Amino acid sequence: QQQVKQSPQSLIVQKGGISIINCAYENTAFDYFPWYQQFPGKGPALLIAIRPDVSEKKEGRFTISFNKSAKQFSLHIMDSQPGDSATYFCAASGSGTYKYIFGTGTRLKVLA
Amino acid sequence: GAGVSQSPSNKVTEKGKDVELRCDPISGHTALYWYRQSLGQGLEFLIYFQGNSAPDKSGLPSDRFSAERTGGSVSTLTIQRTQQEDSAVYLCASSLYSDSNQPQHFGDGTRLSIL
Repeated sequence: QQQVKQSPQSLIVQKGGISIINCAYENTAFDYFPWYQQFPGKGPALLIAIRPDVSEKKEGRFTISFNKSAKQFSLHIMDSQPGDSATYFCAASGSGTYKYIFGTGTRLKVLA
Repeated sequence: GAGVSQSPSNKVTEKGKDVELRCDPISGHTALYWYRQSLGQGLEFLIYFQGNSAPDKSGLPSDRFSAERTGGSVSTLTIQRTQQEDSAVYLCASSLYSDSNQPQHFGDGTRLSIL
């Protein structure tokens, strides 16, 4: 119930391509879904977040798509760049569960 | 700086020793969280503070782990009688208040290695 399943574990994309990372959850009480980007040796940095009252949120090249009925959400990175190479974590939190439940991470490599 | 600050950035110690990890949250943030990240793994929740109190300690792996927060600001995570399985990166995060919709801002962590 508290798990967030993330896939794929690793992803290789050509420069300029679209990177897609998927997450699925079970707990319908979750109402906040952030994505974090982590570079080696650094802490996770908040990238973009969505609430379930919208189906899509876009910030620059980063888009979250949210499917409430399927209990799935995904991160799309458009025009992927080598500088996007990092590990990406999805997370979920909800009413009464202020702690984040994290996915296991996706290691993205964008080839130049 | 304006971000979450953690010290030390790296700590190497012998098995059986005690260690203290420090976290300085963003000024004005009332909620503080500790997570643990093992090599190649996701983030595992350890403990949460609202002000100086810890309503949720459910993630602490054993009674060797403890944490405190003083003055509603700095927090210290203490691991007693360290074991090799304690080796991990310990991350601290803070948020303005403890609501599920509040973004959590992370420090760069303390990389702990137990020999």
